[in-house]
Amino acid sequence: DGGITQSPKYLFRKEGQNVTLSCEQNLNHDAMYWYRQDPGQGLRLIYYSQIVNDFQKGDIAEGYSVSREKKESFPLTVTSAQKNPTAFYLCASGPGEKLFFGSGTQLSVL
Amino acid sequence: GENVEQHPSTLSVQEGDSAVIKCTYSDSASNYFPWYKQELGKGPQLIIDIRSNVGEKKDQRIAVTLNKTAKHFSLHITETQPEDSAVYFCAASSGGSYIPTFGRGTSLIVHP
Repeated sequence: DGGITQSPKYLFRKEGQNVTLSCEQNLNHDAMYWYRQDPGQGLRLIYYSQIVNDFQKGDIAEGYSVSREKKESFPLTVTSAQKNPTAFYLCASGPGEKLFFGSGTQLSVL
Repeated sequence: GENVEQHPSTLSVQEGDSAVIKCTYSDSASNYFPWYKQELGKGPQLIIDIRSNVGEKKDQRIAVTLNKTAKHFSLHITETQPEDSAVYFCAASSGGSYIPTFGRGTSLIVHP
């Protein structure tokens, strides 16, 4: 069953804590992306990676970090420097212009 | 960089009516324009796309039109059904980067 798997579906962060969102794909796509979705704000690009061991900042990278050690995996860490982390986080991958999205992770602050 | 404006933010129609969502873009180098549908609690899914060398594309009840001169493109849904209720996003990207810029989304509500 091919696709993009995001976990967990729901995540809670305490003050000062770093949390990591998982994203795995078995579509053999080179490029992977992280988007943040807030109500009425659309999809804003956090980080993207077009090849293993390389990634680039998107429009709102501050307070986030990523790694791309394997083609299949692109985890996102929300650090304590991100002061407003409550949002729906979407991971995507693509062979080119068409993006395939995961089901998202809702992150909330306790 | 690219800027994509999307209107309206909310659209309410009766079942069977047509729905039109409009987007404008700023970068004349953009040449790929996808539309995504996002159902509640899920990730967006590509429903139709168009390239800059084509003016219109249809797939059953949905169609997309592109006006390159005016830099705007639209999504048309005919004979709407309750299952069309969702948030729709337009996007634009250029062949150089493949990274789409998204509009803010339109919440479509189809009343039975």
